[in-house]
Order: sequence, then structure tokens, then C-alpha cells
Amino acid sequence: GAVVSQHPSRVICKSGTSVKIECRSLDFQATTMFWYRQFPKQSLMLMATSNEGSKATYEQGVEKDKFLINHASLTLSTLTVTSAHPEDSSFYICSARRTARQNGYTFGSGTRLTVV
Amino acid sequence: SQELEQSPQSLIVQEGKNLTINCTSSKTLYGLYWYKQKYGEGLIFLMMLQKGGEEKSHEKITAKLDEKKQQSSLHITASQPSHAGIYLCGAVLTSYDKVIFGPGTSLSVIP
Repeated sequence: GAVVSQHPSRVICKSGTSVKIECRSLDFQATTMFWYRQFPKQSLMLMATSNEGSKATYEQGVEKDKFLINHASLTLSTLTVTSAHPEDSSFYICSARRTARQNGYTFGSGTRLTVV
Repeated sequence: SQELEQSPQSLIVQEGKNLTINCTSSKTLYGLYWYKQKYGEGLIFLMMLQKGGEEKSHEKITAKLDEKKQQSSLHITASQPSHAGIYLCGAVLTSYDKVIFGPGTSLSVIP
């Protein structure tokens, strides 16, 4: 079945530094990937839609200069949290869309970011 | 997302009991997904529903999508501690659109 690999699973960084999170589709090509953020006791909130070879589309309220998304190939999208602050600490999870089949969206296992 | 509502917000049941979780949209859905999550971990895909009136089952879990494609229910029969977790419904409003999630339902199963 389709697998999406997300790395790292956990990361701790110092305030002011940048962190890159990778999302890879291992056995299929994903022209579109999605990035979500989940705060404690809350649901997943869509941050942006990442399209291969073009600029990402950000949801309202998400700072595009802070959360840089690059989708340079059909199997890799990256999310870089720039100048991270403690309030950016969250669970980030990516999703890749395949063709319209029974399970067209495959999710990564998530990244727990802690900014200290 | 306010476009999707889930009820109840949380649920505590005794092992062996049946339970139902509901997901309601104000708009007609192209597709409806059910996922389970242990907090802070990835999502476990349960089922996807696309057709009005569709019903799918896997082991002790049954999901239904109403004819209008605006409401879905997830029913667990004879619940077990392993069913505990957060249940999320995700909706796709149009073909090849993004998935938006409901607020989730936290399920605890007491042995």
C-alpha cells in the first residue's frame, strides 16, 4: 500500500533557529501534499497545500514567510519552520494525495516539534 | 474546522458496550474519511465513504454516509480497550480537494 514517510518524528530546537521537516511518498508519486498542525487537545488544522513545481497555497492566518514549503519533486515536500519560537511547538503532519481510489490520501506519522 | 462538527466531544464507555460517533457537515461532501489517532501520533485510516447511503464495515467498526452526503456515523460494536483514542472525521468537499477535519471525539473504554 501507499506509504508516506515523515522525518524527523521528534525534534527539539532552540528558539530562533530553523527546523526542516520532510515528507516523502515512498511508492507513489504525489503531485499534491498537505501540511497540518495539531495543538494539544485540538484537531488537525490545515496549514498549506503543496503542489509539485509551484508555490504552496497557504490557509488563512498561516504565515508563508515563517512556514516555508518546498515541493521540488513528485515524492518530496519539505516544511521549514523559520525562526522558531515556543508557540510554534506542535505536532506537524503531512499528507500526500494519490489518484482517486478508495484511500486517496495517505498521512505521514507526524513530527513532534518542541522549541525551547 | 467549523465546516465539520462531531458529536459527542468525548465518550467514556464500558468494555463490551456499543457506541456511535457522528460527523455532520453543512455542505454536501465529495468524500468522508474516518481516522483514529492516539494523541501525538499519526493517523490510522479506518474507512472512506463516497456514495450517498454507503455503508462499510471493518471488524467491529461500521461507518455510514447518509443519502444527502452531509452526515456520517461511526458505530463500534462490543467496544474494547484497544478502541480507545481520538476519532476524527475528515471531509473532502470537491474532487481532488484538501481534507478538512472535524474537532474529534475522544473515546475511552473502561475494562
